[in-house]
Amino acid sequence: KQEVTQIPAALSVPEGENLVLNCSFTDSAIYNLQWFRQDPGKGLTSLLLIQSSQREQTSGRLNASLDKSSGRSTLYIAASQPGDSATYLCATSSGTYKYIFGTGTRLKVLA
Amino acid sequence: NAGVMQNPRHLVRRRGQEARLRCSPMKGHSHVYWYRQLPEEGLKFMVYLQKENIIDESGMPKERFSAEFPKEGPSILRIQQVVRGDSAAYFCASSDRGQGAFFGQGTRLTVV
Repeated sequence: KQEVTQIPAALSVPEGENLVLNCSFTDSAIYNLQWFRQDPGKGLTSLLLIQSSQREQTSGRLNASLDKSSGRSTLYIAASQPGDSATYLCATSSGTYKYIFGTGTRLKVLA
Repeated sequence: NAGVMQNPRHLVRRRGQEARLRCSPMKGHSHVYWYRQLPEEGLKFMVYLQKENIIDESGMPKERFSAEFPKEGPSILRIQQVVRGDSAAYFCASSDRGQGAFFGQGTRLTVV
């Protein structure tokens, strides 16, 4: 049974810092891994999707890496801004396409 | 190309009533998932459906909850005889094979 863990649970940083969010999963037989952002009281916004054959994906100031063998993914946010404040979730999908979510990292970027 | 549409956005029900939550997937998507997010908790998988088929309902409570995705029309998550503990945000997502999941804005159910 897949379990997804995210560390840290919460993070508070000053504006402009580069930061790394971690996601680990117990079953390496994944189809893909997806990072989402959730603002309070809102739905989920997809940030990056990494297929199992890929090592990383980039979008703007965001970079996500995937190491299947070690069961880890990281989300790197460059030059953080107050608008980046949100909860960041990672989720893995197996061949059945069911997504299993981590518990999230609550990020607060201070102006 | 509209995203995943869920309605209603907010739903208030008295204990014992039925709640019906609707989800229209993105155009061309044939996979639909329902998740529940309790206050201050993560998203928990409930059920995964394809058209007219329930593929995996391992996360759905055995009683009072049911889901369907008919050939025509939206996917429906039905909760009968709601109780206070059913109060949560219910999210629907859709995907095309292996292309990532797209989520709706959720339905926030409040049971009073």
